[in-house]
Amino acid sequence: DAGVTQSPTHLIKTRGQQVTLRCSPKSGHDTVSWYQQALGQGPQFIFQYYEEEERQRGNFPDRFSGHQFPNYSSELNVNALLLGDSALYLCASSLGGRSTEAFFGQGTRLTVV
Amino acid sequence: QKEVEQDPGPLSVPEGAIVSLNCTYSNSAFQYFMWYRQYSRKGPELLMYTYSSGNKEDGRFTAQVDKSSKYISLFIRDSQPSDSATYLCAMIRGSTLGRLYFGRGTQLTVWP
Repeated sequence: DAGVTQSPTHLIKTRGQQVTLRCSPKSGHDTVSWYQQALGQGPQFIFQYYEEEERQRGNFPDRFSGHQFPNYSSELNVNALLLGDSALYLCASSLGGRSTEAFFGQGTRLTVV
Repeated sequence: QKEVEQDPGPLSVPEGAIVSLNCTYSNSAFQYFMWYRQYSRKGPELLMYTYSSGNKEDGRFTAQVDKSSKYISLFIRDSQPSDSATYLCAMIRGSTLGRLYFGRGTQLTVWP
């Protein structure tokens, strides 16, 4: 049983560019949440997708957007990258949005130069 | 003031020691409390979760929640070098459907 898979594992982008990160949830899960984890900090909630809709959103600007596909996989898009967007981006999946049972992927390390 | 506060450490203990990790929080709306373990360059892994106040034990791990003091703890008995990781506390307001609010994590090293 595959867990949560994220791609790519590492990414280097230039300031001002756009990036797309991908997540496949754990088998049987239908909800995907995205978190940003800066170095030495705890993960910060970006948003959650359930039934292909954004259900909750954290305190992130509109440059951060997402999408969920019918197979429950998800994408996180970040436009107009800033140096401060450099972080580990984590995807968490769960069933029915229950955060007490969220499983995390290994993350995508994004470096903006 | 952050909603969830956690001492980042680092904490270094000898093998076999009892480890105590703690978080405090400011919002009384938090109802669900989790502890995650995160190895270097990996995603967080759920260790335990508790609902409201009380204790929960799972093998060498014990989680405690004191809602009156807004204080949660994770105890690790007979610590092993393989326990070396960053430990993150996380909380949810209201129902289980809420977002996770994380502390910044405590870095633990258990030396043989």
